[in-house]
Amino acid sequence: NFMLTQPHSVSESPGKTATISCTRSSGSIANNYVQWYQQRPGSSPTTVIYEDNQRPSGVPDRFSGSIDSSSNSASLTISGLKTEDEADYYCQSYDSDNHVVFGGGTKLTVL
Amino acid sequence: EVHLVESGGGLVKPGGSLRLSCAASGFRFSAFKMHWVRQAPGEGPEWVSSISPSSSYIFYADSLKGRFTISRDNAKNSLFLQMNTLRADDTAVYYCARDPTGGDWLDPWGQGTLVTVSS
Repeated sequence: NFMLTQPHSVSESPGKTATISCTRSSGSIANNYVQWYQQRPGSSPTTVIYEDNQRPSGVPDRFSGSIDSSSNSASLTISGLKTEDEADYYCQSYDSDNHVVFGGGTKLTVL
Repeated sequence: EVHLVESGGGLVKPGGSLRLSCAASGFRFSAFKMHWVRQAPGEGPEWVSSISPSSSYIFYADSLKGRFTISRDNAKNSLFLQMNTLRADDTAVYYCARDPTGGDWLDPWGQGTLVTVSS
């Protein structure tokens, strides 16, 4: 099994670009798709990126996902930051035993 | 619209049992893999279990050590989680979630039901 490690917090100003990383501890990040979920206080998580870089309908194109095999990590990039983007973000993948794995989460502050 | 509604949460004493339900609507429930995920207060989500459309394949988080059982009733569009020998660290909001492609990801999630294990 592997772990997904995220920075505890990221802060950026409105209008700027924020990037949140998700590093896989063992095995290649490219082996299994990575998803990203947004969770606002008091709400359930919602998908902002699935299958590494796909955006569900209704998610603004300010949100993008990528993977980098050299650093064995996935990244969520949010451009043109808005105050409404302030939330917790979780990366997620799965292992060879069909077990879902979550990252510890990143608190994005837009100030 | 896809809709998932959990129920059955509440306050239970350590060592007790609880059965959670998830009512699904707005999609062909019998065609989708389903998951339970929990989130302890102030923590990130923790995957609990998944079940294939026909219940042929069931998976659990290693940490549960056989205390939880997932099941489904496709005729009633319902998902269940039987939780036994509950402990204080099982306290969490429990979410059910659909797996859109069978690729072990979750969308959408229900609103969750709170389980509190305390004496």
